[in-house]
Amino acid sequence: DAGITQSPRHKVTETGTPVTLRCHQTENHRYMYWYRQDPGHGLRLIHYSYGVKDTDKGEVSDGYSVSRSKTEDFLLTLESATSSQTSVYFCAISGRTSGEGTDTQYFGPGTRLTVL
Amino acid sequence: GQNIDQPTEMTATEGAIVQINCTYQTSGFNGLFWYQQHAGEAPTFLSYNVLDGLEEKGRFSSFLSRSKGYSYLLLKELQMKDSASYLCAVNAGNMLTFGGGTRLMVKP
Repeated sequence: DAGITQSPRHKVTETGTPVTLRCHQTENHRYMYWYRQDPGHGLRLIHYSYGVKDTDKGEVSDGYSVSRSKTEDFLLTLESATSSQTSVYFCAISGRTSGEGTDTQYFGPGTRLTVL
Repeated sequence: GQNIDQPTEMTATEGAIVQINCTYQTSGFNGLFWYQQHAGEAPTFLSYNVLDGLEEKGRFSSFLSRSKGYSYLLLKELQMKDSASYLCAVNAGNMLTFGGGTRLMVKP
């Protein structure tokens, strides 16, 4: 158990509404990531963070923003949700100082988002 | 650019051995991960290869050839619970690029 949670676990919203997903970790990992997973596309990186207030874009960042104001929380915001953002969103963490290696990413349980 | 290929689906019999291949062409390479993902669940870490060769962990082994851009995951003594998707991912500087995943179905 890598001590990572996501909230909410399920959400249904309407097109045009803002949505914020939260990722919370308890083990002081440096790196945090947001992915989306869609049939036929696998996992794709949206944004990631390498420290408090330090973030960068991934492969599919358009329409998403992130914030990390403290080590344990990484927020993903859809400013105006669209139906193409219906997906399963996974948060991941890495940067442990021991174990399988600092590069190994551990995933949260996921958030299933439906935009109607 | 990044290109990672793995078969979409495979079927195998309980008790048998199955090999899931992954080929990659990426800009940057620090290592290759394999993850297992059961339907409706999060991916879980299986193995990480940095150097060429075979890494064995119980019933699971993973092989890497960096010169060929090739890896495989070998599952021995298949069990029904091994029915899942297996994700190959290339690590390039703290960022992972995933293949589309291979859905493995284990039949009795």
